[in-house]
This record gives sequence, C-alpha cells and structure tokens, in this order.
Amino acid sequence: DAGVTQSPTHLIKTRGQQVTLRCSPKSGHDTVSWYQQALGQGPQFIFQYYEEEERQRGNFPDRFSGHQFPNYSSELNVNALLLGDSALYLCASSFNRFTAGANVLTFGAGSRLTVL
Amino acid sequence: TQLLEQSPQFLSIQEGENLTVYCNSSSVFSSLQWYRQEPGEGPVLLVTVVTGGEVKKLKRLTFQFGDARKDSSLHITAAQTGDTGLYLCAGAVDSNYQLIWGAGTKLIIKP
Repeated sequence: DAGVTQSPTHLIKTRGQQVTLRCSPKSGHDTVSWYQQALGQGPQFIFQYYEEEERQRGNFPDRFSGHQFPNYSSELNVNALLLGDSALYLCASSFNRFTAGANVLTFGAGSRLTVL
Repeated sequence: TQLLEQSPQFLSIQEGENLTVYCNSSSVFSSLQWYRQEPGEGPVLLVTVVTGGEVKKLKRLTFQFGDARKDSSLHITAAQTGDTGLYLCAGAVDSNYQLIWGAGTKLIIKP
C-alpha cells in the first residue's frame, strides 16, 4: 500500500520564478495538508484541502496557492519565489476527522526546494 | 498566538543513557502528538496523548501529557543508535484543522 508520494523530490529555482509541487495522498485518505519546514525547524502549516476546497490557511502570503483534484491528489503552487522560500515542503494526508486532534497524519518524504 | 517550545534543541548522548525531551506551552491543547523525523523523510507519528495526566508507553519510549494539557514530555530509556532523529511535538486545538508544531529536538545517540 503506497503511502504519500510527492514530486519532485528536489528542485532548484531562481528568484521570481514559479514552482508547482505535487502530492498523491495515501490510499483511503481524502484530506491533504501542506507544510513548509525550514532547515532545523518544525513544520509550518500552509493550508489544508478537503473536498477540493481550501478549508484552512496558515500565515502564508497569497503567493502560496493550492488545488485539490477529484482523486484527492493536490498541488502546491508558489509564485514570485523568494530566497526565503527555500525549504522542505511536506504533504500530509489524512482521513477527514474534522479537527486536527482527531486526525492521524501520514507525511510524504517532501520536496526540497532551493531558491537561488 | 499559540506556541510550543521544545527543549533541548539538541542532545547528543551515549548509547544506553536515558533522556527526556520537553514540550511546553502557555496554551491548552486538546491533544498532543509526538513525531520522529529522519533525514530525507517526513515526520512519522509516534503517539497521540489526549487526556491530562495521560502516560503512554511505546517500548522504551514513555510519553506524558501534563495535567493541564499545556505540556508534554518524552522519556527514552536506554537509548539506542536507532533512536537518532528529530523529535517533534505538535499540538491540536478543537475547532482547528492545523497542528501547532514545536521546533524539534535533534537527538544523536553515539555508539
């Protein structure tokens, strides 16, 4: 049973460019959350998608946007990249249990983004 | 703003020693989760504690949730090299879909 798969695993971009990261959730999961993890830090919540809609958003600018498809897979888009966007981007899937405490998150291995 | 502070940030000990990692907040959480993350991988859930004062054991790992549900600890007995990793705590609040994460404790167990 495949877990959460993310692509690409590594990528390098330059300032001002745009990037799209992809996530396929674990089989049976219908909710996808995206996190940004800077080096040496804990994950920071970007947003969560459920039923193809953004259900909650963390403290991230509008340059960060996302999408969830009918098959529950998801994309994270970041426009006008800044040096500070360099980080590991993690996708986590879960089966909807309404609130975070009841959810068991399964994380992918992440996409490592470097902005030069 | 809800914050979770983890301590220590970094810990390097010899195999066989015991250690405790702390996760503290001024906020009350409905539950708290502990994860372990290894290089190049995403965090993996170890345990969820829900009730104030709750203690859960996972082999040599003991997790405790504070009575007031504002803090938690992870105690490892007789650490092994396989325990090496980044340990993260994450708190949940009812009516919220996101987890509040600590910055993590990087643990290195030397043979």
